[in-house]
Amino acid sequence: QVQMQESGPGLVKPSQTLSLTCSVSGTSISSTNSYWTWIRQPPGGGLEWIGYIHYNGNTYYNPSLKSRVTISLDTSDTHFFLSLTSVTAADTAVYFCARDHPYIFWSGSYRNSNDAFDVWGHGTLITVSS
Amino acid sequence: EIQMTQSPSSLSASVGDRVSITCRANQDIRTFLNWYQQRPGKAPKLLIHGASNLQSGVPSRFSGRGSGTDFTLTISSLQPEDFTTYFCQQSFGTPRTFGRGTKLEIK
Repeated sequence: QVQMQESGPGLVKPSQTLSLTCSVSGTSISSTNSYWTWIRQPPGGGLEWIGYIHYNGNTYYNPSLKSRVTISLDTSDTHFFLSLTSVTAADTAVYFCARDHPYIFWSGSYRNSNDAFDVWGHGTLITVSS
Repeated sequence: EIQMTQSPSSLSASVGDRVSITCRANQDIRTFLNWYQQRPGKAPKLLIHGASNLQSGVPSRFSGRGSGTDFTLTISSLQPEDFTTYFCQQSFGTPRTFGRGTKLEIK
């Protein structure tokens, strides 16, 4: 059973860098063709996709955060990371890590995949405050 | 960026009712649409992927349909544990985007 767990500081001061770790168990990051993802949710708000990383190192970030975000992998193949620089109060949110898993389907003779977030961590609340 | 418009934002219903939630994309996303359920203080849970495919372990009272720009999540007979919040999400392109959510409340 695949499980994911976020860890982080809880409280970050404005202008500092937020660093989070996602620990993956029950599989290795390189064993599936998934995208390892960070998503956040402000208190009482909706879900915002931050970005993802593939085990081959390819990354894609939300353009709204791209200048401040870095997602990276650990060589242990069981952790990936989020770094968000120059945080403000607007970055206060619950941060989730999730697996974006490809579900294969066929359209005639063409093989396609639809990705969905099938495994999530419990989330960690990050508050930006002095 | 693909915009997802979900409606209604809230819905009152009773146990046993049949309810539907809609999600509209601002461009054709074929069937690259997923639905999630989120209980308070918990992570979202995948219900439906590819617009109509029930995720393993999800009760059959949940169903999804649609393609192109218009999608629907239907719960055929509401159970007490279904009164919570639902989100749609497109996986056609990046950035991935979500609807704003529908809160299902007990009437």
